[in-house]
Amino acid sequence: EDQVTQSPEALRLQEGESSSLNCSYTVSGLRGLFWYRQDPGKGPEFLFTLYSAGEEKEKERLKATLTKKESFLHITAPKPEDSATYLCAVLPGGSYIPTFGRGTSLIVHP
Amino acid sequence: KAGVTQTPRYLIKTRGQQVTLSCSPISGHRSVSWYQQTPGQGLQFLFEYFSETQRNKGNFPGRFSGRQFSNSRSEMNVSTLELGDSALYLCASSLAMKRYTGELFFGEGSRLTVL
Repeated sequence: EDQVTQSPEALRLQEGESSSLNCSYTVSGLRGLFWYRQDPGKGPEFLFTLYSAGEEKEKERLKATLTKKESFLHITAPKPEDSATYLCAVLPGGSYIPTFGRGTSLIVHP
Repeated sequence: KAGVTQTPRYLIKTRGQQVTLSCSPISGHRSVSWYQQTPGQGLQFLFEYFSETQRNKGNFPGRFSGRQFSNSRSEMNVSTLELGDSALYLCASSLAMKRYTGELFFGEGSRLTVL
């Protein structure tokens, strides 16, 4: 069974304090791994897709990396507006049905 | 460019009733997928429609159904509501060529409460 585990469940940072969110996965093959950001009362917003181990993607203060077992979302010098829940999802090989993790709730204090 | 529009945003139903939720995708997006989000289970895939045909279906009972119209608008229906169906139902649209790239555009969701 495909599984996606995100850690930590919640993270509090001070503005400017860099950190990483983890997404570990167990799937039969990997078509792609996706990161989303979800603000309260909103639908998720697409951030990145990673396809193979060693791949990296960057967007502003966010950088996503991928290994064969996990992905990290690195947040450099975060700002309060980076506060949100970050969701990770995988699309297994041979399937078009994504499996989502439970998310990491990030709060950045000014 | 208008985003994904879901209606209604909030609704309250009682057990045994049925509900229909509507989703208007971004213009030009022909793929529409539906998700259920709950605190306990997180985000779970319900089904995906493309060119008026259901292409993929998640592990939900047959009480959950959907359809897509020729203008790509989609509806989902839940019959014989149960308390556990209380959730945020999210619709997402994507371009045909981006259907499985994760590049989904989500609406703000329909929050269903079953009493």
